[in-house]
Amino acid sequence: DTGVSQDPRHKITKRGQNVTFRCDPISEHNRLYWYRQTLGQGPEFLTYFQNEAQLEKSRLLSDRFSAERPKGSFSTLEIQRTEQGDSAMYLCASSYDPGTGRGPFYGNTIYFGEGSWLTVV
Amino acid sequence: QKEVEQNSGPLSVPEGAIASLNCTYSDRGSQSFFWYRQYSGKSPELIMSIYSNGDKEDGRFTAQLNKASQYVSLLIRDSQPSDSATYLCAVPNRDDKIIFGKGTRLHILP
Repeated sequence: DTGVSQDPRHKITKRGQNVTFRCDPISEHNRLYWYRQTLGQGPEFLTYFQNEAQLEKSRLLSDRFSAERPKGSFSTLEIQRTEQGDSAMYLCASSYDPGTGRGPFYGNTIYFGEGSWLTVV
Repeated sequence: QKEVEQNSGPLSVPEGAIASLNCTYSDRGSQSFFWYRQYSGKSPELIMSIYSNGDKEDGRFTAQLNKASQYVSLLIRDSQPSDSATYLCAVPNRDDKIIFGKGTRLHILP
């Protein structure tokens, strides 16, 4: 078990460019979450998946953000036409949900990767 | 009202003393509560979880839950300089979306 892996760990990009982050969850974890965190704030929910199905996408996300989990394993988060306000740490987390009534609401823990830092210049 | 609220601090505590971190939540139906520690520039790491009213102890850490008051706290006994970090309170909603507070910055004074 190598934990949640995120790549790249750091990305500096020019405004207007597209960036993509990858997350590899803990093996056999079927739930995958994306969060964004800016300085002095707690992690802010972006979206989450159950296997390959995207369950919810935050209204805070503009259409420039998209996430996929095509085979229910790794996930990608793409930001198109980056803006300076997109500068943040993007966190991925995963958990194993054995079925209805056994998710985080009932105590199942999520585990974070080390995060991907994005700086838009 | 924000869903999960924490005092942002900083909270300064002398080394060896007890640090008390507080969190309130708005969803009366919430069942599970998590405390994460986050060092500057790092990702959150799970410290404790609590599901039942009362206290739960793990080493120097004690989580306290009062569902009637919608209040959860984390006590750190014998505070060490290595405890200096931001502590995040996290509460999952019924859709299993985990909502985080802004975090409380804790500074242990040597």
